[in-house]
Amino acid sequence: NAGVTQTPKFQVLKTGQSMTLQCAQDMNHEYMSWYRQDPGMGLRLIHYSVGAGITDQGEVPNGYNVSRSTTEDFPLRLLSAAPSQTSVYFCASRPTRNSGNTIYFGEGSWLTVV
Amino acid sequence: GENVGLHLPTLSVQEGDNSIINCAYSNSASDYFIWYKQESGKGPQFIIDIRSNMDKRQGQRVTVLLNKTVKHLSLQIAATQPGDSAVYFCAEIGDNYGQNFVFGPGTRLSVLP
Repeated sequence: NAGVTQTPKFQVLKTGQSMTLQCAQDMNHEYMSWYRQDPGMGLRLIHYSVGAGITDQGEVPNGYNVSRSTTEDFPLRLLSAAPSQTSVYFCASRPTRNSGNTIYFGEGSWLTVV
Repeated sequence: GENVGLHLPTLSVQEGDNSIINCAYSNSASDYFIWYKQESGKGPQFIIDIRSNMDKRQGQRVTVLLNKTVKHLSLQIAATQPGDSAVYFCAEIGDNYGQNFVFGPGTRLSVLP
């Protein structure tokens, strides 16, 4: 059971480049989300999805796009990377969108935009 | 979110002592709370959770206390070990739809030999 898998682990981008962070889970979870983590701050929600075909914005969605074509995959796209997007990104999933269920995290993707 | 500071609060404890990590939450309607542990270079890992209809829950070497009156959550770690060194986050269900978690900024626990 792989859980939540993120790729790549590390990436360096130039300002203006685009890229996609991949996230996959094999637990058949309905809910998936992307967070970013910056020094001295908690995890901040970027986008989330409560099921295939459904996505919504979180606290800090600007500069990011997502899609949810399957239950398993939830890629995060940076269309034109900016230095402010230098951060650690975590994908997470949980069984349902209702409260009371633990959220499981991937191992993180370290992104540097120069 | 607002910048709550560049430096995490740090708690240093002697190996074998008990640790208490505190967290203030924001939403009085939150009904579910989790503590996570994050080691360097890794994703957050679940430690223990508690629902709002409880004020205490115990796990293996860990206890979570919930005080809804003052919106305060604490994590107690008994007989702290070097492997407990990490950043600890509390999280609450932060919206009225029960969908998304809101995370605190975290506390760094350092265990001294």
